[in-house]
Amino acid sequence: EAGVAQSPRYKIIEKRQSVAFWCNPISGHATLYWYQQILGQGPKLLIQFQNNGVVDDSQLPKDRFSAERLKGVDSTLKIQPAKLEDSAVYLCASSLGVAGNTIYFGEGSWLTVV
Amino acid sequence: KNEVEQSPQNLTAQEGEFITINCSYSVGISALHWLQQHPGGGIVSLFMLSSGKKKHGRLIATINIQEKHSSLHITASHPRDSAVYICAVRTSGNQFYFGTGTSLTVIP
Repeated sequence: EAGVAQSPRYKIIEKRQSVAFWCNPISGHATLYWYQQILGQGPKLLIQFQNNGVVDDSQLPKDRFSAERLKGVDSTLKIQPAKLEDSAVYLCASSLGVAGNTIYFGEGSWLTVV
Repeated sequence: KNEVEQSPQNLTAQEGEFITINCSYSVGISALHWLQQHPGGGIVSLFMLSSGKKKHGRLIATINIQEKHSSLHITASHPRDSAVYICAVRTSGNQFYFGTGTSLTVIP
């Protein structure tokens, strides 16, 4: 079974530039999550989708971050303009969406803002 | 206050030692996950628990729902066990809360 795919794996940009991350969840998984993990901390939820609808985006900095999941499959997370404090790993995860199912993570997209 | 608290934050052990990592949570959950994250790597799910105990190789995970507490044990630890271990809980609303992780280093 293919896992959660993310790209790019690594990205270095200057502050005020924009960046986009892509995620392809496991086939059939209705729930998709984007997390931000700053070095030394646990993952912080940015946004949670159920199919193509947003379930929770309360911690998404909406002035600069946006995410979409068109057609309820792939998702993109965009940051524009980037700030130095956005340097982190952006993790995409998916699950079947039914309580009692496990969550699967992608390898993460490592962002460095300079 | 975080919904999920882990201890210790950092742990160094000699190869062969028995290791315990603790997790306490304050929300109602449908399941608790233990995750492993290697440097430069993604996160792998080790266990998903809703009650009792699970064992996989040298890893054992237990949960006490009444006390809202879980432990991850590693028997006969090995340097390849060095990683960050993260406790995460899932609510009935399908939301996840994560601990800040326990960084484990096993010295040969």
